[in-house]
Amino acid sequence: DAKTTQPNSMESNEEEPVHLPCNHSTISGTDYIHWYRQLPSQGPEYVIHGLTSNVNNRMASLAIAEDRKSSTLILHRATLRDAAVYYCILKNQAGTALIFGKGTTLSVSS
Amino acid sequence: ETGVTQTPRHLVMGMTNKKSLKCEQHLGHNAMYWYKQSAKKPLELMFVYNFKEQTENNSVPSRFSPECPNSSHLFLHLHTLQPEDSALYLCASSQPQGDNSPLHFGNGTRLTVT
Repeated sequence: DAKTTQPNSMESNEEEPVHLPCNHSTISGTDYIHWYRQLPSQGPEYVIHGLTSNVNNRMASLAIAEDRKSSTLILHRATLRDAAVYYCILKNQAGTALIFGKGTTLSVSS
Repeated sequence: ETGVTQTPRHLVMGMTNKKSLKCEQHLGHNAMYWYKQSAKKPLELMFVYNFKEQTENNSVPSRFSPECPNSSHLFLHLHTLQPEDSALYLCASSQPQGDNSPLHFGNGTRLTVT
């Protein structure tokens, strides 16, 4: 699976939007972009995934660049419970299991 | 509640002990996974099972022995471990591998090898 690059850490204030970037310049045409997050003392939790079009669900939005070489996870109103490590992962539909990187540690302040 | 239950939550064992970690899911999934998460390191994939058959072994030492008796249960048998094997061991399940359906993780077993 192709590699992703994320900032090590980001900070946000409560009730403000958060934009978490991910670069994946070597993405192939069949790679899906998956986002997971891991809260303290818990296993990772699925957030959202997409291929080409922007995606929305109850947790977040995923904005995918037109050339697909980058994407952004958007949390519309951060809460203290959103403090976690966020992982951006590329997965080929026929490929192996998810391979996690270091992710972005998001801190949220009140 | 994630739908994936791991027991025990915490385990302390000596290097000469034999123990087993258990994972159970009732989500109707047919793929199950073991991941290892050491302190300050990314999750490392260990094993993958699809329809009870092992499809991936990520060069894991033989002191870790997985078992998948049915699609709902996954075990990780441990023997003669080393202190560096201390980590959080995470189980996950999903629809069959090759699908893009999400993985559902348990909350892990925190293993300490003394």
